[in-house]
Amino acid sequence: QVQLQQWGAGLLKPSETLSLTCAVYDGSLSDDYWSWIRQPPGKGLEWLGEINHSGSTNYNPSLKSRVTISVDTSKNQFSLRLSSVTAADTAVYYCAREIAYFDLWGRGTLVTVSS
Amino acid sequence: DIVMTQSPDSLAVSLGERATMNCKSSQSLLYSSNNKNYLAWYQQKPGQPPKLLIYWASTRESGVPDRFSASGSGTDFTLTISGLQAEDVAVYYCQQYYITPRTFGQGTKVEIK
Repeated sequence: QVQLQQWGAGLLKPSETLSLTCAVYDGSLSDDYWSWIRQPPGKGLEWLGEINHSGSTNYNPSLKSRVTISVDTSKNQFSLRLSSVTAADTAVYYCAREIAYFDLWGRGTLVTVSS
Repeated sequence: DIVMTQSPDSLAVSLGERATMNCKSSQSLLYSSNNKNYLAWYQQKPGQPPKLLIYWASTRESGVPDRFSASGSGTDFTLTISGLQAEDVAVYYCQQYYITPRTFGQGTKVEIK
């Protein structure tokens, strides 16, 4: 059964760069797209972007040029970087498998941005 | 971007009764070449990631109880819980995967009356 395990720093200061990684276990990155989605406390879901095994990406224009998603097929992992964070970026960040819809989710990582 | 609007924002239903919620998209999610609606429904309980319930607007994910059903086409969609159980208390989200950016509705919170 495919599982997603994610990790990364949970507390950042304004202007720092958020960095999270998601590992795919008992499955392969070679199929499908892999996404990052976030959820501010008490709010709804926002899709940040996606990547496939060859590195082809799509990003949410709302985040402009702050988002970078990368893939490391040798480690079966994909990663998120979000630059110049502010308090508005405080959220639970999820990685997810996208087979058109999102059928598999990581457990989420709470990232808090505070000075 | 496609805007997804859910209604109501919350509803309270007695155990065993029916809960119905709606999702409207700002443009059609029906892809004419395959006659499929690119819409999914998710259930999210506190402290948990969303769980896929329904895809292609009306296909139940494996393992999802058959009291969950969904319908609709084009821009208007409905999720129904027939016979609400205590474990169904959650927030329900619709999501379009017709185009990027993928977008979600704001959620409908279901509570027990």
